[in-house]
Amino acid sequence: AQSVTQPDIHITVSEGASLELRCNYSYGATPYLFWYVQSPGQGLQLLLKYFSGDTLVQGIKGFEAEFKRSQSSFNLRKPSVHWSDAAEYFCAVGTSGGSYIPTFGRGTSLIVHP
Amino acid sequence: DGGITQSPKYLFRKEGQNVTLSCEQNLNHDAMYWYRQDPGQGLRLIYYSQIVNDFQKGDIAEGYSVSREKKESFPLTVTSAQKNPTAFYLCASGRASAGLGEQYFGPGTRLTVT
Repeated sequence: AQSVTQPDIHITVSEGASLELRCNYSYGATPYLFWYVQSPGQGLQLLLKYFSGDTLVQGIKGFEAEFKRSQSSFNLRKPSVHWSDAAEYFCAVGTSGGSYIPTFGRGTSLIVHP
Repeated sequence: DGGITQSPKYLFRKEGQNVTLSCEQNLNHDAMYWYRQDPGQGLRLIYYSQIVNDFQKGDIAEGYSVSREKKESFPLTVTSAQKNPTAFYLCASGRASAGLGEQYFGPGTRLTVT
């Protein structure tokens, strides 16, 4: 079975600083990888996804993520954080067979200081 | 606009009462899901349905029931048997293509039982 680890429960950055949120997955074959963002009291919104091809994926709101097979990682990055980026971020992995159900990480809460 | 709607946004009930949460989608997705979210625990899958008139238990199905009579609708009933029903409930939908795992979420319903 697949699994997802987001090692950081909370991350605090200053507005304008760069951001990297970590995500590690465990899955035997090529994974389908996702990052979602959740503002307080809201549903989740898809930021970006990786299915195949270029390992550097661009998403909405200026986010990008890089798939590194050798490290089983799919870290989310943003060069300059805005106060409105404060939210909960979830990494998820889908599989290449059978189930339509992705596995979600526990989430990383991003706090942005002015 | 296509999307997923959940109603109501906030719901209050007395202990011992059943309550039904609504979820409707017009994305023409075959698969629909219900998640429960508690602080610090990420998303936990309650039930999912991959096709009309069929659904499967997720990780925490006890005390919940669902139906899938129409492709567009997947209501969740929180029964009096659910020991700790106060939570944020998220509905999602996705394409029934094996292995994608990409999901679209509704805005959520916050249920408070006293």
